[in-house]
Amino acid sequence: AQSVAQPEDQVNVAEGNPLTVKCTYSVSGNPYLFWYVQYPNRGLQFLLKYITGDNLVKGSYGFEAEFNKSQTSFHLKKPSALVSDSALYFCAVRDRLYGGSQGNLIFGKGTKLSVKP
Amino acid sequence: EPEVTQTPSHQVTQMGQEVILRCVPISNHLYFYWYRQILGQKVEFLVSFYNNEISEKSEIFDDQFSVERPDGSNFTLKIRSTKLEDSAMYFCASKSSGGNTGELFFGEGSRLTVL
Repeated sequence: AQSVAQPEDQVNVAEGNPLTVKCTYSVSGNPYLFWYVQYPNRGLQFLLKYITGDNLVKGSYGFEAEFNKSQTSFHLKKPSALVSDSALYFCAVRDRLYGGSQGNLIFGKGTKLSVKP
Repeated sequence: EPEVTQTPSHQVTQMGQEVILRCVPISNHLYFYWYRQILGQKVEFLVSFYNNEISEKSEIFDDQFSVERPDGSNFTLKIRSTKLEDSAMYFCASKSSGGNTGELFFGEGSRLTVL
């Protein structure tokens, strides 16, 4: 069965420092992986995705994620954090049980990123 | 930039009452979804909808839930007789095309509080 794990409930980073939000996955077959961000009282916004090709994927707002097949990980990274990056971040994998061909996603439990000035 | 819109943003209802949550997906999108997020918990899949019928539904989506696209633009989620445990944020999402690779576009959610 497909699943996604985000081992950290919260990540605290000082502004200007690099940040990493961790995600590991378990899938059968090729993984299709996504990162979404949720700002307070807002919906989920798409950040980036890995489908195939380069392991380093670049996305919105300066974020990138590295797909590592051997470690089954898809960690979200940013070289220099901003206070405005503070939000809830969700990793997701394509759901092959429920409507995988229709694009449905399974989400991790989310990681709260807090960037302090 | 086109976006998914949801109404109401917040609804408070009494247990046993019917609730309808409305969504307007992005206009050229063909695939529609409802997810829910109970406070402090993960985002969970409820149902997907394509070509005027349900494509898939999760075990959460029981007989109390229904969806429809009444007029070609709105996509609604109805809960027939709400329970306390239905209190959650409900997100609508849409996608432009089929296949596994496209991303879902989400609305800002409708918060349902059942008293």
